[in-house]
Amino acid sequence: NAGVTQTPKFQVLKTGQSMTLQCAQDMNHEYMSWYRQDPGMGLRLIHYSVGAGITDQGEVPNGYNVSRSTTEDFPLRLLSAAPSQTSVYFCASSLTGPNTGELFFGEGSRLTVL
Amino acid sequence: ELKVEQNPLFLSMQEGKNYTIYCNYSTTSDRLYWYRQDPGKSLESLFVLLSNGAVKQEGRLMASLDTKARLSTLHITAAVHDLSATYFCAVAENFGNEKLTFGTGTRLTIIP
Repeated sequence: NAGVTQTPKFQVLKTGQSMTLQCAQDMNHEYMSWYRQDPGMGLRLIHYSVGAGITDQGEVPNGYNVSRSTTEDFPLRLLSAAPSQTSVYFCASSLTGPNTGELFFGEGSRLTVL
Repeated sequence: ELKVEQNPLFLSMQEGKNYTIYCNYSTTSDRLYWYRQDPGKSLESLFVLLSNGAVKQEGRLMASLDTKARLSTLHITAAVHDLSATYFCAVAENFGNEKLTFGTGTRLTIIP
């Protein structure tokens, strides 16, 4: 059982470049989310989705776009990378959302923007 | 805006000792989660606390939730080296809010 799969695991970008972090889950979870983790700041919610076709902003959405065309996939797009987006990114999913169930996390994607 | 505070942020303790990590939050909630993270790894779910007075135990770890005090504790009994990790609490607001807010984490180091 694969769970939550993130790709790539590591990426180096130059300022202004664009890229997409991929996230897929095979647990038929309705809820998916993206967090970034920075030293001393815990995890901060970027965007989340409660089902296919529905997305919403979290705490730190600026500079990131998401879409949810299928239940399984929830890609995170950086349109014009900035050094402030250097971070570790985690995708997480849940059957029904954090009000009723725990989140399952992917392995993370470490992004460096030069 | 929901605020979640953990203390201490760093904790070094000797093997065999007991200690408690505290998680305070700022708004009404009875949904609280504890996660463990090893260096360079993902987050692993430890406990799910979904009601006032909930208490969960797994091995040397015990978590509890007091929704009136807006406080959760993670108690470590007779610590062993394998428990060295960063521990996060996370809170979901009540009434349909789908956002989970994390504390800043407690980095626990168990010294032999």
